[in-house]
Amino acid sequence: GESVGLHLPTLSVQEGDNSIINCAYSNSASDYFIWYKQESGKGPQFIIDIRSNMDKRQGQRVTVLLNKTVKHLSLQIAATQPGDSAVYFCASLGNYGQNFVFGPGTRLSVLP
Amino acid sequence: GAGVSQSPSNKVTEKGKDVELRCDPISGHTALYWYRQRLGQGLEFLIYFQGNSAPDKSGLPSDRFSAERTGESVSTLTIQRTQQEDSAVYLCASSITGFNSPLHFGNGTRLTVT
Repeated sequence: GESVGLHLPTLSVQEGDNSIINCAYSNSASDYFIWYKQESGKGPQFIIDIRSNMDKRQGQRVTVLLNKTVKHLSLQIAATQPGDSAVYFCASLGNYGQNFVFGPGTRLSVLP
Repeated sequence: GAGVSQSPSNKVTEKGKDVELRCDPISGHTALYWYRQRLGQGLEFLIYFQGNSAPDKSGLPSDRFSAERTGESVSTLTIQRTQQEDSAVYLCASSITGFNSPLHFGNGTRLTVT
């Protein structure tokens, strides 16, 4: 079935370093992708999105890269801060272009 | 403006009882989604409403699960004859168009079936 998965279930980085979180998706027809951040006890929070006509998009301290050839996207966080500690999910539109498919998430831990 | 609101935030129920979870989406958002999140896991799609179209129920795990939405406002997710396996956080999200626009999530209802 369709899926959106992550290569690394956990990631620990030193404060101030850059973080890279990876994601693979299976639906080649997906044309819209989103990264979410989820803190404990809260719902997922939108970080950044990208459409399939782009391969890179930058936000504040975050960059999303999309490689449609290998169905892979990544989230880069610059100068990682303690407040970035959370679980990060990627999501893409499902086969019918309506429901979003989420991966299992990557837990990012920022070390002092 | 207000975000997506869900109630109750926590619900403990006995096995076999029915529960009803409520979601108030962001005003003006035509699309509404329900997801289930088991402890330490990702989000599992349940159901999707888009305007007045028939809902996409393809993610509902059994006929014990049902959901309704009144126009483009409140939605309720009902679980009948709850089982321990139903214990999870139930997340509601809304979006402006339902496609090519981000989902905005509430903080969820944590359901515990004892």
